[in-house]
Amino acid sequence: EVRLVESGGGLVQPGGSLRLSCRASGFTFSDYNMDWVRQAPGKGLEWVGRNWRKVDSYTIEYAASVKGRFSISRDDSKSSLYLQMNSLRTEDTAVYYCAGDYFGSYEFWGQGTLVTVSS
Amino acid sequence: DILMAQSPLSLPVTLGQPASISCRSSQSLVFRDGNTYLNWYQQRPGQSPRRLIYKVSNRDSGVPDRFSGSGSGTDFTLKISRVEAEDVGVYYCMQGVQRPYTFGQGTKLEI
Repeated sequence: EVRLVESGGGLVQPGGSLRLSCRASGFTFSDYNMDWVRQAPGKGLEWVGRNWRKVDSYTIEYAASVKGRFSISRDDSKSSLYLQMNSLRTEDTAVYYCAGDYFGSYEFWGQGTLVTVSS
Repeated sequence: DILMAQSPLSLPVTLGQPASISCRSSQSLVFRDGNTYLNWYQQRPGQSPRRLIYKVSNRDSGVPDRFSGSGSGTDFTLKISRVEAEDVGVYYCMQGVQRPYTFGQGTKLEI
């Protein structure tokens, strides 16, 4: 059974930091490009960033809205994806999903972890 | 970025009746390999998105055959032949032909 399990969400004050993790099982993690996608309360889906797989040189991409504040990494030996979020803003409040892309499609999604940025 | 526009944004339906959602992209979703990377996702209340359809018309394992996808180029449609109660939720189209992948606004299907 394929599983993506996110963790690390919670309540943080503006300007604070948080680190999210996504642990994968049931598929060959290293074969997949892995993204973070977020969803603000009652809103649609917004791409946050990507960590490409090894064959694509582990290249990392970010959405303009988070570039310079967020950092993505992966550890294929642990089948895990990470999102380090710094300088958090109230508009970063959202459920954060990790998603696996083989080519042109998010085949797998995690259950999400809620990040609330509020004073 | 490629813009994805869905219509309608709200879709009231009657159980057992058909439903249809349209998705239009700002540019062609045909990749140089000849494939068209248009996907449909279902998000039930309180759940994460689940892929229903990939490459326009290919149903994922476990997806009922009442769901079908069609279209080409920039115009695509998701059809539900007979709506059931478990189909309530928000449906998103998503393009996977150009980075970053982008989503439609979502269509809320309600009984």
